[in-house]
Order: sequence, then structure tokens, then C-alpha cells
Amino acid sequence: AQSVTQLDSQVPVFEEAPVELRCNYSSSVSVYLFWYVQYPNQGLQLLLKYLSGSTLVKGINGFEAEFNKSQTSFHLRKPSVHISDTAEYFCAVTPGNQFYFGTGTSLTVIP
Amino acid sequence: EAGVAQSPRYKIIEKRQSVAFWCNPISGHATLYWYQQILGQGPKLLIQFQNNGVVDDSQLPKDRFSAERLKGVDSTLKIQPAKLEDSAVYLCASSLILGTSGRGNEQFFGPGTRLTVL
Repeated sequence: AQSVTQLDSQVPVFEEAPVELRCNYSSSVSVYLFWYVQYPNQGLQLLLKYLSGSTLVKGINGFEAEFNKSQTSFHLRKPSVHISDTAEYFCAVTPGNQFYFGTGTSLTVIP
Repeated sequence: EAGVAQSPRYKIIEKRQSVAFWCNPISGHATLYWYQQILGQGPKLLIQFQNNGVVDDSQLPKDRFSAERLKGVDSTLKIQPAKLEDSAVYLCASSLILGTSGRGNEQFFGPGTRLTVL
């Protein structure tokens, strides 16, 4: 069975500061990893995904994530956040069919 | 390319009433998903279709929830009768294929339907 743990439910950060949103997963099989962002009253939008290859994945809006197989982690990072990054962020894993989502991290960027 | 469409965007009903949600996936996407997202939680898969067949409905409360995907395109999700705990956002998503490669199964989400049960 697969599970996803997002260690921080809320992350406040000042504008232009760096941020890291943590995601750990457990799985008995190989998985593919995703980060989605959800703005208020909207559906989920894909930020980035890891399928294979380089463990450092770059996504939209300046976000990147690093897949660490030994630590079963897929942490999301951005070197300098903007007010518009305020949103809910979801980590998800899939062995190829069903998606398993974490409970989300609410990122609030403070001016 | 048009995205996943859902309607209505908002719905308020009283408990024990019935409600239906509609989803139109991205053209050509074979796989369609319905998720329930309760406030403060991540999306939980309710049902997954591949074309017009059900792939996984293990988490669908079948005593009150039903879903269909006629002709392998549009889908409807129904709740009858609704309970207070059904208040949530219902998300529809679609992906190109269902497979083990991971490629092509990126899910594209609609804006969701926010259901409030009073």
C-alpha cells in the first residue's frame, strides 16, 4: 500500500525568502511523484512530476523538487517566494494507476 | 485545449435530498476520476473509469453514491440521499491513459463542485 505524509500543515514565509515543503512517502513498489498546487476555489494544477531520470525536477513558477529514494522523500523548494505563491500544495504518489494524495500544506507568503 | 469542465460550481442542499454533479473531461482522455476533498484534507478517490468501465470504486459509499460514464466521455456523480458529512468539494480529473509507465497518466483537474449539506 502507498501513503503520503506532508509534515507541515501550514508554512508561513516572508516574501522573497526561500521555502521548502516536505513530503515523505511509503510504498512497496516503485512510484511516480507529483506536486500539485490549489489556489482558492480552484482545482489542482500540476507543478512538477518525477517519472524517471534526474532526481532534481524543475517545475512551473520557479519551483523544483528533489527525489530522494533512500529517504523516500520528494521535498518541494523555491528560492524566493512571491505573494502569488500563497496556496495549498499537495504531494501525490502513484504506482501507475491510482493517485494517493497527502493532506496538503498551506503556504502563506507574508508581505 | 479546453480543460476539464464541471458543473455546477456550487450547490447547497438539505440532508436527505439528492444531488448530481456533471463532468466533461479533456477530449481524448480515456481515464476519468472523481475525488472527494473535505475541508483541510487531500483529495480522496471515489471512483475511477477507463473509458466507460469502472476500474476502481472501492472507496465509493455505494449505499448513497453512484456514478456513470456513458459512452466513455461525460460522467455524472450522484448522491442520494445526502448526509451532512458529504459536504465537500467534488473534483473531477482526467488523464490520457491508465498504465504502469507513469507517462500519460498525469491528471488534469476541473475546478470542482462545492457541496454544502444543511
